Amino acid sequence: EDKVVQSPLSLVVHEGDTVTLNCSYEVTNFRSLLWYKQEKKAPTFLFMLTSSGIEKKSGRLSSILDKKELFSILNITATQTGDSAVYLCAVGGDYKLSFGAGTTVTVRA
Amino acid sequence: DVKVTQSSRYLVKRTGEKVFLECVQDMDHENMFWYRQDPGLGLRLIYFSYDVKMKEKGDIPEGYSVSREKKERFSLILESASTNQTSMYLCASSLWGSGSETQYFGPGTRLLVL
Repeated sequence: EDKVVQSPLSLVVHEGDTVTLNCSYEVTNFRSLLWYKQEKKAPTFLFMLTSSGIEKKSGRLSSILDKKELFSILNITATQTGDSAVYLCAVGGDYKLSFGAGTTVTVRA
Repeated sequence: DVKVTQSSRYLVKRTGEKVFLECVQDMDHENMFWYRQDPGLGLRLIYFSYDVKMKEKGDIPEGYSVSREKKERFSLILESASTNQTSMYLCASSLWGSGSETQYFGPGTRLLVL
């Protein structure tokens, strides 16, 4: 059975802090790892990672994958209140994604 | 822009009622998915479809069925709603083939079964 574990489950930070979210996985036929951001609506796509060691960046967000140790991290630097959301990690196998439970990030002004 | 729409944002039904949740995507995607999302459990796959009239069970199909008569439309059916089916239901779609794992989500339907 595919397994995706995210940590921590939740955290509270202040504006300007840096946040690191973790995602570990055990999936048969690994194809990719994806990060989504979910506010009070549909998850929106952030990154897709397929190769180890290559950092993907988008503004203050970045992510990297380690296929040997089977994990990924998502970093958010200089956090803003608009970064408050649930961050979902998903791993792509055959035709489908397996999701972790998510990390709830709360950024206080 | 990919657009995935769901028929209702909020729905209240009674135990035993038959419930239809509809999802439509406008990007000609082959794959469509239904998930439910519950606190602490993340998204769990109920059913998916990789072509018209094709369907595959996900991780938690019990109590649900699906219908895909047209490529753009994927319906989730609760044959006899129960209180443990109170949840947020999310529909998603994606392309077929390698590198197509990115799924695009609809806004969700929050279902309350009384």
